[in-house]
Amino acid sequence: SAVISQKPSRDICQRGTSLTIQCQVDSQVTMMFWYRQQPGQSLTLIATANQGSEATYESGFVIDKFPISRPNLTFSTLTVSNMSPEDSSIYLCSVGAQGYEQYFGPGTRLTVT
Amino acid sequence: GIQVEQSPPDLILQEGANSTLRCNFSDSVNNLQWFHQNPWGQLINLFYIPSGTKQNGRLSATTVATERYSLLYISSSQTTDSGVYFCAGDPGQGAQKLVFGQGTRLTINP
Repeated sequence: SAVISQKPSRDICQRGTSLTIQCQVDSQVTMMFWYRQQPGQSLTLIATANQGSEATYESGFVIDKFPISRPNLTFSTLTVSNMSPEDSSIYLCSVGAQGYEQYFGPGTRLTVT
Repeated sequence: GIQVEQSPPDLILQEGANSTLRCNFSDSVNNLQWFHQNPWGQLINLFYIPSGTKQNGRLSATTVATERYSLLYISSSQTTDSGVYFCAGDPGQGAQKLVFGQGTRLTINP
């Protein structure tokens, strides 16, 4: 299984600001994903981070709000832009491993005040 | 889109008890997985089980793909088993993305 790290692990931000979350994997992976988990809720896919091309966003998520970069096969960033309290969530990256099993990073716990 | 229903939503048991968690899918899925989310928010992979039965210690899982459901069995529960259990599946079409159920919150009391 892949070892996945995320930075920061948690942050408290003011509304109107932006935060960039980093996801680093210890091996090259084909597919990386970003999920959001709002308080007390399940996980929802934000987008698939594609290496060398624009991310593929799910319904209800847009690039202007959640820009994503994937410069290589081991690293991706998710930016939460112009934050509001409704953006307070855990943000998790995941990677597709051999045989299509997905593994998740430890998450970034974001609080927007 | 595909719907994933988990039951029960909440389960409170005494240490040593056994439990069965269920996951139903509204349509066929690939790459079905079970996860345990611990109190710190970390998602732990329990099983990758598109079909059949697997066992890992006190935990086992069975997926009946033709009937679109999966079961997670926990035997001789321990307090460390507490947390939220999620099932998730890939709707297919090459996307390899996961659709999650709402989870079962398990509380094991000493």
